[in-house]
Amino acid sequence: SQQGEEDPQALSIQEGENATMNCSYKTSINNLQWYRQNSGRGLVHLILIRSNEREKHSGRLRVTLDTSKKSSSLLITASRAADTASYFCAKIQGAQKLVFGQGTRLTINP
Amino acid sequence: ETGVTQSPTHLIKTRGQQVTLRCSSQSGHNTVSWYQQALGQGPQFIFQYYREEENGRGNFPPRFSGLQFPNYSSELNVNALELDDSALYLCASSGERGGETQYFGPGTRLLVL
Repeated sequence: SQQGEEDPQALSIQEGENATMNCSYKTSINNLQWYRQNSGRGLVHLILIRSNEREKHSGRLRVTLDTSKKSSSLLITASRAADTASYFCAKIQGAQKLVFGQGTRLTINP
Repeated sequence: ETGVTQSPTHLIKTRGQQVTLRCSSQSGHNTVSWYQQALGQGPQFIFQYYREEENGRGNFPPRFSGLQFPNYSSELNVNALELDDSALYLCASSGERGGETQYFGPGTRLLVL
């Protein structure tokens, strides 16, 4: 079973617009991670946010975490065609495995 | 590029056959995790190897087995293939046992006919 749930499942926006994806989870976390996947290839790590952090930035990416609501969001500002991909949130379960949601498929239209 | 490599990139097998997938971890990493990703789904954890020992297993039957070698490269073996085993198989390496950030290879796409 998958712990996280991304919302929306699919998102289509115009180039230059901002894209926001949300992730909810069920149990407590030490950290939450966001990954990107292009066209069914390997996953690329984007950002890790710890449970004692509320916001983290990396370039055009901003991740927020609300542990009281058990939710996180990923914001991509000034989107580009190359941002077209699937985005996954994941939490570490135990000391071993990443538990992924089903992902958000983001399409950036030129 | 993460430095994690997988082979082969694509594979076609028939039901009942056996398959071996290979993964070379990133330099300096001693932990390898394997994931199965069905079409349109998120990756599902199969198992993890740390210093040649299995270090956790997901909800997969025993016909999914693995190995890790002294150089920390790894193999995933699947026996008695079923149609539902068709998926993208991802290998990820990390620096510590259950490391926080895992670095993924490009995957092996397996089709079982």
